[in-house]
Parts: sequence; C-alpha cells; structure tokens
Amino acid sequence: DAKTTQPPSMDCAEGRAANLPCNHSTISGNEYVYWYRQIHSQGPQYIIHGLKNNETNEMASLIITEDRKSSTLILPHATLRDTAVYYCIVRFSNNNDMRFGAGTRLTVKP
Amino acid sequence: DTAVSQTPKYLVTQMGNDKSIKCEQNLGHDTMYWYKQDSKKFLKIMFSYNNKELIINETVPNRFSPKSPDKAHLNLHINSLELGDSAVYFCASSQRGSNEKLFFGSGTQLSVL
Repeated sequence: DAKTTQPPSMDCAEGRAANLPCNHSTISGNEYVYWYRQIHSQGPQYIIHGLKNNETNEMASLIITEDRKSSTLILPHATLRDTAVYYCIVRFSNNNDMRFGAGTRLTVKP
Repeated sequence: DTAVSQTPKYLVTQMGNDKSIKCEQNLGHDTMYWYKQDSKKFLKIMFSYNNKELIINETVPNRFSPKSPDKAHLNLHINSLELGDSAVYFCASSQRGSNEKLFFGSGTQLSVL
C-alpha cells in the first residue's frame, strides 16, 4: 500500500473549519483513501473514505485532488470534541491490511 | 449495545505470567483484528482473522497466540509476559469486501511489572 505523509500537528479555532492535509504521491489507481481518528484513550473511529470523487458525510468532507496524489479532510465546524489524532491511510479494496501511520494531532482551541 | 467489546479494560500483571484478552463483536462481521499501540502511540496490526482463519500474522513473537472460536470472537493469549509487552491492545472487526470499515474496541491497557 502507498505511504502517506501528514503534518504531525495542527491547531484550529473552535467553530472554524479544520483542513487536514495528506500526501499520498505513490497511490495507485485502485487504492482508496481512508480517514480515521483517535480521541485520547479510545479506539480509532472511522470517518470517511474515497477513491476519486469528493465525499461528504455527517462527520466530514474528503477532497481528493484530480491526480489523487493528495487529499484533505475537512471538519466544517470544529468543536473541542474533535481534538484527536487523525490518520490518513491508503489501501487496496478487499485488503485486510489497514496500516496506521503517525497521523496529525489536531487540537481545537476555544 | 457495544459493537466491539474487549475485556478487561485494564490488566496489570507480573513478568512471566500468562494472560488473555477477550474480544467480541456483535456486528456480524467476518473479519477480526488485533492491533498494538505502544508508548509512542504507533498503532500496529498484529493479527487478522477472516472466518476463523488466520490471514495476517505480522512479526509478532509466538508468545502471542490469537484464538478465534467463532466469527464473533477473537481472543489474544500472551505467554511469558515481558516488560516490552506493555501497551494498549485494540481489537477491531470489519466485513470483508470493498470499502470495508474497521470498527474498534475501546482497548485493553496492559501493564507488565
């Protein structure tokens, strides 16, 4: 699976949009981009995933560049409860091997 | 109802002991996993079982033995515990197929003294 690169940490003001970038320049055509987050002391939580098109659900939006070499997770109105480590993962469909990197530690500040 | 449940939540034990961590999922998934998160917070996959069959076995000491009595359970037995085994262990499950999402348990914090 392709490797991902994320900034180690980011801050965001409460109520503002949090934009978390991820580079995956070696992604192949049938690899999906997944985002998970881990709130302190809890198990990771699935957020969203996509292949080519932008995706939106009740938690977040995922913007994937046309060349698919990078993506951005957007939390439209960050709250203090969104403070967590956010992981960007690329993997093949039907591959059981979900491997986590170091992630981005997002701190939402009042 | 908790989708993926692990017991115990905390486990404190002496070096050399044998211990087990239990995991159950009520999501009807066919694939279950064990992950280890060490003190540096890196989350690493250890094992994956699909329909009770071992799929992934990372470079894990053979002191660690997963056991899957049925699709809903994947227990982790650890023999001769060492200090370096201290970590948080997460169980997860998913339904094999395209676009599968992992659902994680709340973790078991293992401390080996």
